[in-house]
This record gives sequence, C-alpha cells and structure tokens, in this order.
Amino acid sequence: EVQLVESGGGLVQPGRSLSLSCVASGFNFDDYAMHWVRQAPGKGLEWVAGIIWNSGIIGYADSVKGRFTLSRDNAKNFMTLQMNSLRVEDTALYYCAKGGIDCSSGKCFDFFMDAWGNGTTVTVSS
Amino acid sequence: IVLTQSPGTLSLSPGERASLSCRASQSVSSNSLAWYQQKPGQAPRLLIYGAFNRATGVPDRFTGSGSGTDFSLTITRLAPEDSAVYYCQQYGTSSCSFGQGTKLEIK
Repeated sequence: EVQLVESGGGLVQPGRSLSLSCVASGFNFDDYAMHWVRQAPGKGLEWVAGIIWNSGIIGYADSVKGRFTLSRDNAKNFMTLQMNSLRVEDTALYYCAKGGIDCSSGKCFDFFMDAWGNGTTVTVSS
Repeated sequence: IVLTQSPGTLSLSPGERASLSCRASQSVSSNSLAWYQQKPGQAPRLLIYGAFNRATGVPDRFTGSGSGTDFSLTITRLAPEDSAVYYCQQYGTSSCSFGQGTKLEIK
C-alpha cells in the first residue's frame, strides 16, 4: 500500500523559511516523479512543484519559482521542499503526492498524481 | 494552460447522470488530462488520466472523454457518496495546472 507522510508544517512569519518533508513507502520510490500540491483554506488545488525520478527535471509553479526548492533522496525514500521568503498567500495545506505514469498516447507523462498524503498545514502570519 | 470548469456547482438526485466540463485555453497535448475527486476533509483521489483511462479501483460509472480543448467527466447512476468537488488537471513533463473545480451535490 502506498503511504506518503508529510511533516514540517507550522506557523511562520512572513519572510521566514520552512522546510517540508515527505517520506514514502509501499512502492519503488526511485521509479516515480513526486509532487507538492497545496490548497489554501476553502480554495482549490494548486500544483507547487514536481521532481522526476532522477531529479533531472524539477518544475515549479510561477508563484513559488525562485523561493522554493524541491529535492529528493532516493536512498531514503524522502523528498524535501525548502520554502524561503514565505508570504501570507503561501498559507495552505500542503500535500505530498506520487506521480503517475501515463504512456497511453505513446509519449510518457508523469506530472499528474495517483496517490496523496494527508497533508501538512503551513500558516504564514505575523 | 488555463483550465475552466463548469458548472461551478451541480445539484442532482441519486440515480441521475452528471456531466462536468473542463475547457482549456489551448489544446492539451496528447490528451494529458486528469480528473480528481475530493471529498470534504480528504485528500484528492485520481479518477481519470489520459482523458479517458480510469485509475485503479475507479468504478465504470465514471467516464472521461474529450480531446483538444474540451473535456468532460460523466458520472452515471449518481450515489450520495459521489458528493464531492471534482477537479480537472492538464499535465506535461515538467509542469501542470488544475481547474478551479466543480462542486457536485447529491440531494
């Protein structure tokens, strides 16, 4: 069974930093892309960042580019989102998600999510 | 790519059929379009990927269709447990984006 457990959320002042972690189990971690998706209170889903299996491609939403850094450690089944220069609008529930693999068109894509953790809450407030 | 979902809210009765729309601002390459279901207090669940492929364990009451810029999720024989917010998502090889969601109420 796929399990994704997030940690590291909390209350932080604007301009400060926070690091989120995701530990994965139940699948071959180094075969899949991994993602962070966030959801502000009462709002919809927003993709934050994703990283392919070998860290060769790391993508970021425009809203976090230059402030957030995503990395993974395949030996430890571990992913980290370093969040710097946090803003009030970064307040959200942050989900760790496992990338799916879609090769149905003949070309393969892995920036969608086929398993999700329960999330960790980040609150940015003075 | 900006995804626009409609309607914002859909209220239907058990046994009816729901049709949810997702329109893209430009053509979605290779039909790389997914649908998710999110119930209150829960994480999202993948329903459909590649526009029409059901994810593991998804009942055949859920059907994805469409191509290019217009996609749909159809849910037949609605049940109370189908009450949720449904999101579409377009994805590539280095980024993705979600629609704003459609809330489905089963009354």
